[in-house]
Amino acid sequence: RKEVEQDPGPFNVPEGATVAFNCTYSNSASQSFFWYRQDCRKEPKLLMSVYSSGNEDGRFTAQLNRASQYISLLIRDSKLSDSATYLCAVALIKNSGGSNYKLTFGKGTLLTVNP
Amino acid sequence: NAGVTQTPKFQVLKTGQSMTLQCAQDMNHEYMSWYRQDPGMGLRLIHYSVGAGITDQGEVPNGYNVSRSTTEDFPLRLLSAAPSQTSVYFCASSYSRVSYNEQFFGPGTRLTVL
Repeated sequence: RKEVEQDPGPFNVPEGATVAFNCTYSNSASQSFFWYRQDCRKEPKLLMSVYSSGNEDGRFTAQLNRASQYISLLIRDSKLSDSATYLCAVALIKNSGGSNYKLTFGKGTLLTVNP
Repeated sequence: NAGVTQTPKFQVLKTGQSMTLQCAQDMNHEYMSWYRQDPGMGLRLIHYSVGAGITDQGEVPNGYNVSRSTTEDFPLRLLSAAPSQTSVYFCASSYSRVSYNEQFFGPGTRLTVL
């Protein structure tokens, strides 16, 4: 099983739609979770971190389910500007002190929002 | 602050040539890493460093060397380029060694090996 797996996509949705992405991770000891956004031919940028209690930032909601080992991202009221690739990332601590970790990304899911 | 800078932006190599991809950050970040991104494969971790003098292997380290002699710089060396190393390479840095900090990425280096 791959360390981090994402919905393969692509997703094509109309403006105003709600779209959800899911990402599963294999190591239950994973500590930190993120969603990054990557525009075409650009570098990834942090969209939001994912906290245990779930968190919301405007139209974006991220959730973590440790029992089932998955994270999700919900985008409400999609805008044309949301068109991008969305990458989940999971950090695994490699030592007991927490000062050495490895960040693994999913393959990304391409979202296209259509007018 | 310039953030994370990478040079060159584009590079074409012949099989067997060696080269160094440069990465620098001016944010005094402890954690730095190198990823490669290929179509359908996502971002794959090559090497990372939790501080000057400390490096570790990621998911796909073969064919690449790194060193971290200063906090600011984290060069990636290709010892003998192969066509399989054609990719987009991203360097990233993070404020500290703790895992919950944001990673800041450079603009990438597009490498083609013929």
